[in-house]
Amino acid sequence: DIVMTQSPDSLAVSLGERATINCRSSQSVLHSSNNKKYLAWYQQKPGQPPKLLIYWASTRESGVPDRFSGSGSGTDFTLTISGLQAEDVAVYYCQQYYNTPLTFGGGTKVEIK
Amino acid sequence: QVQLVESGGGVVQPGRSLRLSCAASGFTFPDYGIHWVRQAPGKGLEWVALISYDGNNQYCTDSVKGRFTLSRDNSKNMVFLQMNNLRAEDTAVYYCAKSGESKNLFQHWGQGTLVIVSS
Repeated sequence: DIVMTQSPDSLAVSLGERATINCRSSQSVLHSSNNKKYLAWYQQKPGQPPKLLIYWASTRESGVPDRFSGSGSGTDFTLTISGLQAEDVAVYYCQQYYNTPLTFGGGTKVEIK
Repeated sequence: QVQLVESGGGVVQPGRSLRLSCAASGFTFPDYGIHWVRQAPGKGLEWVALISYDGNNQYCTDSVKGRFTLSRDNSKNMVFLQMNNLRAEDTAVYYCAKSGESKNLFQHWGQGTLVIVSS
């Protein structure tokens, strides 16, 4: 199984500042056949289901604000929120969809400082 | 717009069975695989199972193999998760999710249904 490790577990950021969340996979999720990274990011607000933010490591889902961006290599990935807004308070999860079992990171809770 | 509505959750004793349903609308249902993802109270997300677009293939996590089975009715836009021999550790909110550009991506999610396994 591919183990996904997120850091930090939580972070507090001032409004308008940058939040950076890291995610590491225990093996590469870069598929050599298409050069795509099978890594997604989800946002989950309290009492709500998760929402897809980013897929292929850096492609924003339709309707997601451009302050959310993703980057990374085959095993190390980053979600950046540039200019944190109050509505961004949530838990963020990374997920590999390279193979089954599909696995998530443990989540990072983002709060306002 | 895409809508997924889960139902069938509740309180059940260990060893008993429960059947969850996922009703879909707003997209061409037979074209997409459907996943189940669960979240234990206060915990993170755990993928449970996937049924392919045509129902011919199923994949599931090891902890539910032999106990959970999936089925789908493409004429009614429904997916079912049959959960047998339930255990306390199966207690969670169960979400159904529509696949996306990749069959293993969770593009849209339902609101979830809560399953509590307790004596």
